[in-house]
Amino acid sequence: DAGVIQSPRHEVTEMGQEVTLRCKPISGHDYLFWYRQTMMRGLELLIYFNNNVPIDDSGMPEDRFSAKMPNASFSTLKIQPSEPRDSAVYFCASSFRAGDPTGELFFGEGSRLTVL
Amino acid sequence: GNSVTQMEGPVTLSEEAFLTINCTYTATGYPSLFWYVQYPGEGLQLLLKATKADDKGSNKGFEATYRKETTSFHLEKGSVQVSDSAVYFCALTLIQGAQKLVFGQGTRLTINP
Repeated sequence: DAGVIQSPRHEVTEMGQEVTLRCKPISGHDYLFWYRQTMMRGLELLIYFNNNVPIDDSGMPEDRFSAKMPNASFSTLKIQPSEPRDSAVYFCASSFRAGDPTGELFFGEGSRLTVL
Repeated sequence: GNSVTQMEGPVTLSEEAFLTINCTYTATGYPSLFWYVQYPGEGLQLLLKATKADDKGSNKGFEATYRKETTSFHLEKGSVQVSDSAVYFCALTLIQGAQKLVFGQGTRLTINP
């Protein structure tokens, strides 16, 4: 079975440009998460969705960040305009419905973003 | 609030050494506890888990026991290998809520041959 698929794997852009990161969760998973990983701050939860609806976006750093999930098989994280401090690895993860005590998240391989 | 504190890294060991990575937690309810591992250039993957007090999770020679009295979930392995070099994350989630994992800061482990 295919795991969580993210694209692009690497993105290098200049400050001020728009960046769009994409994620395809595992089929049948009800939850989708976006995380950001940096050396300074570790792994931070940005936003998560349940059945395509955003549930908690309190981790989104500022209005330059937005995320959508138009259907069960696709989500985007957009940064506009991008800044050098947005440079990080962005992970998408998905999981089964709430009440599953295993609580296992399945992560994609990440999108490494570098903003010059 | 809910939080996880891990032993700071990096940790460097020789092959076949004994490994312990400490993890303690604070939670308002009854959490499930996890260890995730991140190999270089990859996403995180579940290593082991425990869903209630005194449970022991194990996988690939790693073990961790859910200790409610000490709010701990320390990761151990009796004999590490070079292939165990990775970053290890302790995490918790509350069973009653959504799978919103709270992660520790991660511990980088390097095993030298």
